[in-house]
Amino acid sequence: QKEVEQNSGPLSVPEGAIASLNCTYSDRGSQSFFWYRQYSGKSPELIMFIYSNGDKEDGRFTAQLNKASQYVSLLIRDSQPSDSATYLCAADNAGNMLTFGGGTRLMVKP
Amino acid sequence: ETGVTQTPRHLVMGMTNKKSLKCEQHLGHNAMYWYKQSAKKPLELMFVYSLEERVENNSVPSRFSPECPNSSHLFLHLHTLQPEDSALYLCASSQVRGTAINIQYFGAGTRLSVL
Repeated sequence: QKEVEQNSGPLSVPEGAIASLNCTYSDRGSQSFFWYRQYSGKSPELIMFIYSNGDKEDGRFTAQLNKASQYVSLLIRDSQPSDSATYLCAADNAGNMLTFGGGTRLMVKP
Repeated sequence: ETGVTQTPRHLVMGMTNKKSLKCEQHLGHNAMYWYKQSAKKPLELMFVYSLEERVENNSVPSRFSPECPNSSHLFLHLHTLQPEDSALYLCASSQVRGTAINIQYFGAGTRLSVL
């Protein structure tokens, strides 16, 4: 069974710190990986996607992918209280489906 | 606003009722999805339609019945639900093109409570 695993948290970081969110996946055939942010009671919104090994940066966000280790991470620099949310990791499967992890709840404390 | 609209936003129904959830996408996408999100559980893919044909049905109970009349509209018909079906039901859409990245955009969801 194809799985995506995340630590449920909560991960608590002080304002201004770097938040590091991690995700592992089981399907070696997965090619693309996605990070979604979901505020309480709201729908998931896409933050970033990555498909090449290495780092991809977008503003305060950096996604990292290591296909050999089947590991994806999201770094949030200069964390703000408004970043407090649940972060969902997803991996694509054959047939253009996504498998989601259970999400990591991030709390940024002022 | 993601371009994916779901109605109603909240729904309370009894176990003997019949209701429908509606999703409409304004993004010109060719694939639409229904997901179920329960507390403490990952998003569960229920149904996938690509080019208006159902391509995935993840062993969903028959009390959930999807309908995709065209590429912009998706329905989820509900009947004789159980209390454990109470959850957030999310619709998503994407443009599926060969090996291109499949980015899914979500609607705001319907919060369903079954009494």
